[in-house]
Amino acid sequence: KAGVTQTPRYLIKTRGQQVTLSCSPISGHRSVSWYQQTPGQGLQFLFEYFSETQRNKGNFPGRFSGRQFSNSRSEMNVSTLELGDSALYLCASSLDANTGELFFGEGSRLTVL
Amino acid sequence: AQSVTQLGSHVSVSEGALVLLRCNYSSSVPPYLFWYVQYPNQGLQLLLKYTSAATLVKGINGFEAEFKKSETSFHLTKPSAHMSDAAEYFCAVRGFRDYKLSFGAGTTVTVRA
Repeated sequence: KAGVTQTPRYLIKTRGQQVTLSCSPISGHRSVSWYQQTPGQGLQFLFEYFSETQRNKGNFPGRFSGRQFSNSRSEMNVSTLELGDSALYLCASSLDANTGELFFGEGSRLTVL
Repeated sequence: AQSVTQLGSHVSVSEGALVLLRCNYSSSVPPYLFWYVQYPNQGLQLLLKYTSAATLVKGINGFEAEFKKSETSFHLTKPSAHMSDAAEYFCAVRGFRDYKLSFGAGTTVTVRA
């Protein structure tokens, strides 16, 4: 069974640009969550989607957005990039985030110059 | 709101020695508790989870954790450390219908030969 796939794995952007990250969950998983990991702030919750509906959102500015498609694949977008957005963005899938067991992808490492 | 505190950002052990990683939680409702491990340049992998079925939880790679409500703790242990245990370990908590995990700051484990 294939794991959670995130693309791209690495990317470099400049301030003011926007970026879209993609996540393909484990087959059959309908919940997709996104987390930001930085050395200073650790792991922080961005948002969670289930059956194309956002059920929970973390404390991030509106520049951070996401969506989920009917096949459960998810994308997150960050607009007007800032230096502080440099981070590892982790996607996790589960049958239902309410069950708690999340399976993580290897992440997309974003560097903003 | 749920939160966890991991005591000690770095732990160094000798190969074959006991590994003990401390985690205390704060939760207004019975929590779901988890330990994840992260190897360099990888995502997070679930070691074990507590969901109220049993207070002593056994996980993968010889790790186990004990839920102690009176101490609000969920410490992770492994009787005998192996070089491959060198990684960063995260404790996490989720409340019922919370749809997100709140992570601790992480503990980096180094294993000395």
